[in-house]
Amino acid sequence: DAKTTQPPSMDCAEGRAANLPCNHSTISGNEYVYWYRQIHSQGPQYIIHGLKNNETNEMASLIITEDRKSSTLILPHATLRDTAVYYCIVRVARGSQGNLIFGKGTKLSVKP
Amino acid sequence: DTGVSQNPRHKITKRGQNVTFRCDPISEHNRLYWYRQTLGQGPEFLTYFQNEAQLEKSRLLSDRFSAERPKGSFSTLEIQRTEQGDSAMYLCASSGSGGPWDTQYFGPGTRLTVL
Repeated sequence: DAKTTQPPSMDCAEGRAANLPCNHSTISGNEYVYWYRQIHSQGPQYIIHGLKNNETNEMASLIITEDRKSSTLILPHATLRDTAVYYCIVRVARGSQGNLIFGKGTKLSVKP
Repeated sequence: DTGVSQNPRHKITKRGQNVTFRCDPISEHNRLYWYRQTLGQGPEFLTYFQNEAQLEKSRLLSDRFSAERPKGSFSTLEIQRTEQGDSAMYLCASSGSGGPWDTQYFGPGTRLTVL
């Protein structure tokens, strides 16, 4: 079973920041938080991941709470092309295994 | 394009037929994963290779399913005697040599429809 809880859907106005929450209250100390998104009928696309520090890349920012029990993915200026299902996943990033366990994700709809 | 590629992108078959899908990972990635995704659900793990060795199989991988990665590069997933319940998107992902940055990158998927 997925170890994360996400709202099933969210709306965001184009040009505004999209803040997608994720609860992972049972996360272990050696588990990372990964975010992927899936645009309709395409394969999942890697966005970002982090352990305990906040992370930022060209796509998004990841804010992880100090207790690591929740996180927020931030798309700073959402566009219509950001409409997708966003998956928050926790996993042990070890070399010997590491299949991803997906939940149902959050369907983000960016509206004009 | 240096991403993960999958062929075919779409496959329609009749119940009882065999089908085979191919995945070409990002070059030099030694790990390769297969997932299955049904409508409205997130992807579910099927199996995983490190180089040519199949190291892990999900209970979802019934004996009608077989996966190979003979030379540690491309992989094939075969489904024998297809059933309507096999209709799904089959996704392949690859990742590098491991460690904390073992991010999986996905291909576009093969959509299977069993009539």
